[in-house]
Amino acid sequence: KAGVTQTPRYLIKTRGQQVTLSCSPISGHRSVSWYQQTPGQGLQFLFEYFSETQRNKGNFPGRFSGRQFSNSRSEMNVSTLELGDSALYLCASSLGVIQGGWQFFGPGTRLTVL
Amino acid sequence: DQQVKQNSPSLSVQEGRISILNCDYTNSMFDYFLWYKKYPAEGPTFLISISSIKDKNEDGRFTVFLNKSAKHLSLHIVPSQPGDSAVYFCAANYAGGYQKVTFGTGTKLQVIP
Repeated sequence: KAGVTQTPRYLIKTRGQQVTLSCSPISGHRSVSWYQQTPGQGLQFLFEYFSETQRNKGNFPGRFSGRQFSNSRSEMNVSTLELGDSALYLCASSLGVIQGGWQFFGPGTRLTVL
Repeated sequence: DQQVKQNSPSLSVQEGRISILNCDYTNSMFDYFLWYKKYPAEGPTFLISISSIKDKNEDGRFTVFLNKSAKHLSLHIVPSQPGDSAVYFCAANYAGGYQKVTFGTGTKLQVIP
């Protein structure tokens, strides 16, 4: 079974631009979560989608948004990029139907904002 | 507000000895805890978990201990192997939180041959 894939793997943008990241979950997984990882901050939860609906949201500004398609693929969008948005963005998928079910992570997209 | 804390950013252990990684949490609502391992340039991979109704869970060389009264959990790796060198993240969530998982900042473990 193929793992979680994320595209692109690396991205360089400038302040004020917008970016869209993509995530394809493991086949059969209906939950997709997004995390931001920065040095010293660990993984910060952004949001979770389940069957095309946002089920949970973390404490990030409205510039961060996402969506999920009927095939469970998910996209994350960041508008008006700031230098502090430079981070590794990780996507994780799971069946999502039980609490505590572990998630399978993709390799991440490394975003650099100049 | 860091609800899951890993106060040791790094740990070095000799091969064959025990590695003990610690994690503290502040949110009493957390009732499920997980450990993930992360190698460079890869996403985290699930290692072991424990429900709050238990105080110990074992899987091969890995054992997680939970002390609810102290809001503390630890991961024991015995014996430690060089391949265990990675960053370990402690994580937690709660009933109804589904996949809203709160992660710690990670502990980088180095196992010295």
